[in-house]
Amino acid sequence: GAGVSQSPRYKVAKRGQDVALRCDPISGHVSLFWYQQALGQGPEFLTYFQNEAQLDKSGLPSDRFFAERPEGSVSTLKIQRTQQEDSAVYLCASSWGGGAGGYTFGSGTRLTVV
Amino acid sequence: QKEVEQDPGPLSVPEGAIVSLNCTYSNSAFQYFMWYRQYSRKGPELLMYTYSSGNKEDGRFTAQVDKSSKYISLFIRDSQPSDSATYLCAMSPPLGQGAQKLVFGQGTRLTINP
Repeated sequence: GAGVSQSPRYKVAKRGQDVALRCDPISGHVSLFWYQQALGQGPEFLTYFQNEAQLDKSGLPSDRFFAERPEGSVSTLKIQRTQQEDSAVYLCASSWGGGAGGYTFGSGTRLTVV
Repeated sequence: QKEVEQDPGPLSVPEGAIVSLNCTYSNSAFQYFMWYRQYSRKGPELLMYTYSSGNKEDGRFTAQVDKSSKYISLFIRDSQPSDSATYLCAMSPPLGQGAQKLVFGQGTRLTINP
């Protein structure tokens, strides 16, 4: 596609509910990243894939967060037993290679946990 | 203390003014420096990308990096109302040392008044 597509754009979850956020990267992009952006803050790194391999998951805040990219294209970020502090915008980005910067970000999924 | 510090503003200037945005950082390993622009309810969009110290100019935008002072700047000349957005600085270590993991500043909210 022309850009990075994320769905849903908005998600309201009750505390304790599981959610799944989807990212469709730009076709052919090898690298895929997930970031979390709290209100009024800059994005914070969550995890990084190169093709289907998850090379870095050091930013995932707890074991309730899980990401996958089974075929090296679409990725899903899953959050189990959501908590209020999980409320944020979840941004996905992709790039050709594994180098620094040069990412194309999607518009994000705004998650609100009530 | 955060690795990257950025004044969140808000910053409001008249149309046509020169805007100066700045970030400081503490990690001397950072080698790649970026500026992103983020409109409301959109993902960050890459504006400028520089490697190590020096200046880079692109149209009305100039990015400066001073590694000795751990200080980066973005200048916007002849500012336009369409420049109104949040500006995020971002940086990362060298390739092979986590270059794919961007560290963002908090973002500066800029308004250009017609």
